Amino acid sequence: GAGVSQSPRYKVAKRGQDVALRCDPISGHVSLFWYQQALGQGPEFLTYFQNEAQLDKSGLPSDRFFAERPEGSVSTLKIQRTQQEDSAVYLCASSLSSRGNTEAFFGQGTRLTVV
Amino acid sequence: GQQLNQSPQSMFIQEGEDVSMNCTSSSIFNTWLWYKQEPGEGPVLLIALYKAGELTSNGRLTAQFGITRKDSFLNISASIPSDVGIYFCAGRGFTSGTYKYIFGTGTRLKVLA
Repeated sequence: GAGVSQSPRYKVAKRGQDVALRCDPISGHVSLFWYQQALGQGPEFLTYFQNEAQLDKSGLPSDRFFAERPEGSVSTLKIQRTQQEDSAVYLCASSLSSRGNTEAFFGQGTRLTVV
Repeated sequence: GQQLNQSPQSMFIQEGEDVSMNCTSSSIFNTWLWYKQEPGEGPVLLIALYKAGELTSNGRLTAQFGITRKDSFLNISASIPSDVGIYFCAGRGFTSGTYKYIFGTGTRLKVLA
């Protein structure tokens, strides 16, 4: 499809398990964002890529969170040694430009539940 | 993390009524976006605003970019049951060295038929 695609849609992990969440942005989009959305809250910024460069990771909550976008298209958000507080919906968004007037389009999200 | 102030937090309205919600920030933004999110889905873009004072419509939706660049509002006219959902504002600005979108806390809208 033409939109942002995320997989898996749902993930249940045992506490301490590592997980990897995938994002396929809209083709040709330079900017890619990861957000975390807790139940009943708005999305909160995690990290930002411009092509393959991770320019901002100020929102990553701990060093257990790691994101990459090695070829400037698909991105993976990895969470090591998951904890219950990591349970949330993880949203990926992409936009055509890195600056100026631009819109961000979101995927459907991955709902992570840590048990 | 940083979130914008969005009000009201929730609204229960009758079908056919108009709805107004707003978003305020302590920071200046160069873009305001409004999204709608339904259960189990990602946010869907409704309207984008790029200039201070800009007023933009999309069907029954109208949004404005505040003159101070620190606020925005969204109006929905003649609401219908399918307008139910959570509406988020998002401001895009240059913080911590990069451009990022900061989201509001959301307005939960319920429409009674």
